[in-house]
Amino acid sequence: KAGVTQTPRYLIKTRGQQVTLSCSPISGHRSVSWYQQTPGQGLQFLFEYFSETQRNKGNFPGRFSGRQFSNSRSEMNVSTLELGDSALYLCASSLGDFSGNTIYFGEGSWLTVV
Amino acid sequence: EDQVTQSPEALRLQEGESSSLNCSYTVSGLRGLFWYRQDPGKGPEFLFTLYSAGEEKEKERLKATLTKKESFLHITAPKPEDSATYLCAVQAEMNTGFQKLVFGTGTRLLVSP
Repeated sequence: KAGVTQTPRYLIKTRGQQVTLSCSPISGHRSVSWYQQTPGQGLQFLFEYFSETQRNKGNFPGRFSGRQFSNSRSEMNVSTLELGDSALYLCASSLGDFSGNTIYFGEGSWLTVV
Repeated sequence: EDQVTQSPEALRLQEGESSSLNCSYTVSGLRGLFWYRQDPGKGPEFLFTLYSAGEEKEKERLKATLTKKESFLHITAPKPEDSATYLCAVQAEMNTGFQKLVFGTGTRLLVSP
């Protein structure tokens, strides 16, 4: 079956701009979460969505936001980009309930802020 | 606060030389402990989920074990293609949300022919 799909794979933005990243979860998965990966901080949890509702949020500023659509696809947005936002942004999907707990990651979106 | 510590940070092995990677954790109620493999420039690839102390899972040359305080990833007779960063993560019992994983910083494994 198809895995978690993230677009775009690579992008370069200028400080102050905003960016939107997209994630299509595995078919049937209703939970989507987002992580930021940097060499210094490793993988850090951003937020999780389930059935279009944000269930949990990490310790990131309000510039980081997300949403989930009725087909479970998700987007995350970063406004007023800073140099420190340069990172690999990873999307993960799972069934999201007690029946299954395997969490699969996509290949990520590489964001460079200049 | 939930915390995961992996050791060693880096490990270099000769092909066929077995070893173990360690993942120590503190969490307020463990829902699951995850192992992932990550190749450079790619997303983490799921390996195992362990749920309770004493549980073991195997996949090819990899075997993961779990105690109440730590997990080990044993690599038996590794091959160069096993070279990657291995990530450990814990999922805490929570009232809401299931996908908040707390990751360790990983062990970079290099297997030389």
